[in-house]
Amino acid sequence: KNEVEQSPQNLTAQEGEFITINCSYSVGISALHWLQQHPGGGIVSLFMLSSGKKKHGRLIATINIQEKHSSLHITASHPRDSAVYICAVRAYSGAGSYQLTFGKGTKLSVIP
Amino acid sequence: SQTIHQWPATLVQPVGSPLSLECTVEGTSNPNLYWYRQAAGRGLQLLFYSVGIGQISSEVPQNLSASRPQDRQFILSSKKLLLSDSGFYLCAWSRRVYGYTFGSGTRLTVV
Repeated sequence: KNEVEQSPQNLTAQEGEFITINCSYSVGISALHWLQQHPGGGIVSLFMLSSGKKKHGRLIATINIQEKHSSLHITASHPRDSAVYICAVRAYSGAGSYQLTFGKGTKLSVIP
Repeated sequence: SQTIHQWPATLVQPVGSPLSLECTVEGTSNPNLYWYRQAAGRGLQLLFYSVGIGQISSEVPQNLSASRPQDRQFILSSKKLLLSDSGFYLCAWSRRVYGYTFGSGTRLTVV
């Protein structure tokens, strides 16, 4: 079974700071997802990546398959970035199905 | 475009009462469908997944059941709720070349 560890669990930053959230997993995967969960609970998919790096606006996600590690970076952080960021890894589970294993999330608070 | 609908958004139910949460997907066919639960202070946990009509796999033995009566409809049920069933329930769908799309979730409180 894949173990997904995120760090830090909680993060408080001043507006404008550069933020990094880390994710490590134990078993080989087909893809890794970064998700954003706002206080209301709804989840938005930010990135799905299987190698290299992806960028969307102020968000950057990287993955190192050999080291089983991914990072989510937020440049020029803003209070509206405050949310829980969740790392999830996708692995083939047989019978044509892929399963996600989730980290516990990193709660980010950006202070004005 | 593909969308996913989940309802209700919040629900307060007494212990021992039945439960039915519904999830429907639009804009795709034959999706893989999932029910997840997020208990307070814990990560998302897979409860059920389905790769087709009538095909349900359970990951965690519990007081809940799931059904897929139509290709794009996934239902989570319980005959008698327990206090421990409280939590945030999320429906999601995926297809191999796509990522996952999550519903807006249902916050269930069993009292």
